[in-house]
Amino acid sequence: GAVVSQHPSWVICKSGTSVKIECRSLDFQATTMFWYRQFPKQSLMLMATSNEGSKATYEQGVEKDKFLINHASLTLSTLTVTSAHPEDSSFYICSATETSGGTGELFFGEGSRLTVL
Amino acid sequence: AQSVAQPEDQVNVAEGNPLTVKCTYSVSGNPYLFWYVQYPNRGLQFLLKYITGDNLVKGSYGFEAEFNKSQTSFHLKKPSALVSDSALYFCAARGRAGNKLTFGGGTRVLVKP
Repeated sequence: GAVVSQHPSWVICKSGTSVKIECRSLDFQATTMFWYRQFPKQSLMLMATSNEGSKATYEQGVEKDKFLINHASLTLSTLTVTSAHPEDSSFYICSATETSGGTGELFFGEGSRLTVL
Repeated sequence: AQSVAQPEDQVNVAEGNPLTVKCTYSVSGNPYLFWYVQYPNRGLQFLLKYITGDNLVKGSYGFEAEFNKSQTSFHLKKPSALVSDSALYFCAARGRAGNKLTFGGGTRVLVKP
């Protein structure tokens, strides 16, 4: 099946710094990528939808200036957590779909665990 | 608004016994339905999907799911559970018009030897 690579898997940073997480589709072109946040023992919360070459669409309650999303190519989307604080500590997961609409099977990255000290 | 419900937070089953993880959905029209599994500190792995056609869908690792339109359900089943099936399972749905998945809350499966 299609492979989505997410990097880094683990990141620890100091409060006030910014952290960038990359999501790459390795063997297909991803017209749409999704970013999720998952709290311990909870479901995935959709943060935003990014389409290649256009601005991301954020879900209600997600701060655009806090969570910067860039989808500059068909194989790469990045999530930057700006001025991170301990409450931003979470497990972030990206997913990608090869086609716009259709059956839209999502392929997930392995997730990135962010810990803000 | 569409929603997906997984009524059980946790399911315990003995190894070798049948496993069922329940899922109901509320999506207008004919939905696409998915099951994913998540192991600790990992992303989601695709198990199976229902798009159209036969209501019984067979997926990876011996799992299957039955689409029931009248009950708006898509329960995941495995005839004989393995200890290695212990994980977090997510049901998801999307309408045919959009591309956003709505996830259920997840069900933790614990298979005891």
